[in-house]
Amino acid sequence: DGGITQSPKYLFRKEGQNVTLSCEQNLNHDAMYWYRQDPGQGLRLIYYSQIVNDFQKGDIAEGYSVSREKKESFPLTVTSAQKNPTAFYLCASRKQGSSTDTQYFGPGTRLTVL
Amino acid sequence: DAKTTQPTSMDCAEGRAANLPCNHSTISGNEYVYWYRQIHSQGPQYIIHGLKNNETNEMASLIITEDRKSSTLILPHATLRDTAVYYCIVRVGGSQGNLIFGKGTKLSVKP
Repeated sequence: DGGITQSPKYLFRKEGQNVTLSCEQNLNHDAMYWYRQDPGQGLRLIYYSQIVNDFQKGDIAEGYSVSREKKESFPLTVTSAQKNPTAFYLCASRKQGSSTDTQYFGPGTRLTVL
Repeated sequence: DAKTTQPTSMDCAEGRAANLPCNHSTISGNEYVYWYRQIHSQGPQYIIHGLKNNETNEMASLIITEDRKSSTLILPHATLRDTAVYYCIVRVGGSQGNLIFGKGTKLSVKP
């Protein structure tokens, strides 16, 4: 089955530790995105990547880092510099060059920092 | 991208049609209307999109007014599993970058 996978579904970390969230897609999509969602709020963009080895900051990139070494993978690292990391993190992908703009989302990772 | 306005919440009886409105009075001629939904603690799911004409797929119908300043998402026979937050998004077709998700409409389907 084609789709986007995120792992783990739930993640607990101690304050001050870096943590990396996984996002993999087998849709052959060029563009990938990371969003953050806080309770009762919409999604906010952290980082996005339109091609391998290239990525851009979104609206709330501070305290986060990403890499795009492979088309299929776009891991997100939440660093100790992120002041309030507890949130629901969503990864998405989109086919580049399409006349429309449909994004496909993974199931999300809920991060709790203790 | 044009701004959208949606009601905060709506209720619908199971088996009835759910009609979710969205206002986008500043929409440009090359901007599409997209609908996504998010069931609790899951990733958003694409539902449907349109430019000018009404659209229908296996999930829903999208009715866009002739002046394109508003639209309505119709779930013809709502089920309990349709309870979710529904997001209306407007953006230029084929443009790069992120989708801007507002707070959406919380649809509660009741037995």
